[in-house]
Amino acid sequence: AQTVTQSQPEMSVQEAETVTLSCTYDTSENNYYLFWYKQPPSRQMILVIRQEAYKQQNATENRFSVNFQKAAKSFSLKISDSQLGDTAMYFCAFMKQNNNDMRFGAGTRLTVKP
Amino acid sequence: NAGVMQNPRHLVRRRGQEARLRCSPMKGHSHVYWYRQLPEEGLKFMVYLQKENIIDESGMPKERFSAEFPKEGPSILRIQQVVRGDSAAYFCASSPLAYGSGTGSYEQYFGPGTRLTVT
Repeated sequence: AQTVTQSQPEMSVQEAETVTLSCTYDTSENNYYLFWYKQPPSRQMILVIRQEAYKQQNATENRFSVNFQKAAKSFSLKISDSQLGDTAMYFCAFMKQNNNDMRFGAGTRLTVKP
Repeated sequence: NAGVMQNPRHLVRRRGQEARLRCSPMKGHSHVYWYRQLPEEGLKFMVYLQKENIIDESGMPKERFSAEFPKEGPSILRIQQVVRGDSAAYFCASSPLAYGSGTGSYEQYFGPGTRLTVT
């Protein structure tokens, strides 16, 4: 079974600073997808960034980037130039290729302080 | 293009009543997924449906829970004889195609969720 671990229940960062959220996963699969979702107080789940395991290049989306270490089964999210609107729960998720259920970590609550 | 719609947003039921949660996928999406989120936890997969078919219900409790996605109309998650432990946020997501069938086609778009409270 695939498991996703987020070891930081809560984190905080000053506005405009950089923060890194950790995620590790356990799988015997070679092909899979990894995601980071953001859940603000509105509770809407918003896709932040995704990574295909077969791609060596780390995904980036504006201020968001990942450090994907396949051998170490690590998938951290870096948020640069943090903004107040980044305050939210962040969930790391794993999905096998050609499978349908997405496995989520327990989440990291990020607070951006002014 | 409207996003995934869920209703109601909030639902209160007494123990023993039935709860019916509705999900309308994004236009053009024929794959629907239901997830449950308990307080302070991540989302847990429940069931994956296509039109008129349950594809994977490995995350569904064996009793009291059922889901459908009819040819016409929204997907329905039904919980019979609710208990307090059913109190949670229930999220629906949709995708245009099955996983692995094309670039970006596996991406799931989430609805705003239905918060069920059982009193």
